[in-house]
Amino acid sequence: DAKTTQPNSMESNEEEPVHLPCNHSTISGTDYIHWYRQLPSQGPEYVIHGLTSNVNNRMASLAIAEDRKSSTLILHRATLRDAAVYYCTLRGETSGSRLTFGEGTQLTVNP
Amino acid sequence: DSGVTQTPKHLITATGQRVTLRCSPRSGDLSVYWYQQSLDQGLQFLIHYYNGEERAKGNILERFSAQQFPDLHSELNLSSLELGDSALYFCASSVGLAGGAYEQYFGPGTRLTVT
Repeated sequence: DAKTTQPNSMESNEEEPVHLPCNHSTISGTDYIHWYRQLPSQGPEYVIHGLTSNVNNRMASLAIAEDRKSSTLILHRATLRDAAVYYCTLRGETSGSRLTFGEGTQLTVNP
Repeated sequence: DSGVTQTPKHLITATGQRVTLRCSPRSGDLSVYWYQQSLDQGLQFLIHYYNGEERAKGNILERFSAQQFPDLHSELNLSSLELGDSALYFCASSVGLAGGAYEQYFGPGTRLTVT
């Protein structure tokens, strides 16, 4: 499976934007970039995914580098509820149906 | 609420026993996935079923088995339980078969404690 690299932890203040980076230098042409988050004591929650173009939804935005070797999840205004572990993962023909989770980024949001 | 339900929420059992975890996918989703989350291994993919057929296996022990029924709900059977099987077990569902275009929706999990 193609590997992703994320910082172990990041910190933000409430109401400020947060940019969570992910490197995936071995991404293949058919791999989609998926982001999930896991709040304490809950199951992972789908956030957003994309292939080549930037994507927006009600939760976040996904900015994908032109060479697709990195991406950034953008939370436009962090809230305390956004404190979670954020996982960046790749899904495509090579990875098949599974999601492969690394360590993720623990996001702390300060009031 | 993701629309994926799992029962039971908590399960405490003894070593050597057998348990069954149940998952109901979101309405309309044909794919069901099982994941295990433990403190030392993180979130690991176990197995994937699509419309009743096994499609992919991950790090699933031979003591574990799963099936998906005609009504699309799925069961994960864990037998000859060991202390190391204590973990959170998550079920996820998705509308599609494979490839990256489809997101997965996770249930709240079953916390299994083996004593």
